[in-house]
Amino acid sequence: GAVVSQHPSRVICKSGTSVKIECRSLDFQATTMFWYRQFPKKSLMLMATSNEGSKATYEQGVEKDKFLINHASLTLSTLTVTSAHPEDSSFYICSARDPGGETQYFGPGTRLLVL
Amino acid sequence: QKEVEQDPGPLSVPEGAIVSLNCTYSNSAFQYFMWYRQYSRKGPELLMYTYSSGNKEDGRFTAQVDKSSKYISLFIRDSQPSDSATYLCAMSVSGGGADGLTFGKGTHLIIQP
Repeated sequence: GAVVSQHPSRVICKSGTSVKIECRSLDFQATTMFWYRQFPKKSLMLMATSNEGSKATYEQGVEKDKFLINHASLTLSTLTVTSAHPEDSSFYICSARDPGGETQYFGPGTRLLVL
Repeated sequence: QKEVEQDPGPLSVPEGAIVSLNCTYSNSAFQYFMWYRQYSRKGPELLMYTYSSGNKEDGRFTAQVDKSSKYISLFIRDSQPSDSATYLCAMSVSGGGADGLTFGKGTHLIIQP
């Protein structure tokens, strides 16, 4: 149980384009999902909290107009990196709160490379 | 001072040894403490979850929390080569996954066969 998937696992795009990453809870309904970013040899850093049916809450320093989050259903949240730049290249990981569980369960991550 | 400090290693030990991993933190509001294991280019996998101070044991893994010292530990007994991974400590103010987690940088552990 408590399986979270992400798609795609890896994406390469040109600077200035937009990229959408999907996060799905496969065997439970997640009213809350989280988006993290991990740069090489750095901690996972929380970017935003995504609540089903409402606007996402962004952490300080994260541009909400650049990182668009949509949580339209209880099993799907999407993160769109708009007008991507090389400095956006990173490992993006989502997690979902299992209401019947203790904490968050993480997806396998999406590696984004912006050329 | 960073909110969560964790020695990135690498920490290399022989197979069968007892491994001790630890983190210190500065925010006294943290109440829930977790250890995740992360293999290269994969998402973190939950190993242990504890609330407040005390010990918790699960198989070869033991988690300890000392809130008075703001210090948490993970012990791995009878370490195996398959335990080689990066171990992340994480913590939150609220439980049940309601809040975003604050992570340490992760310790890269290598178990030598």
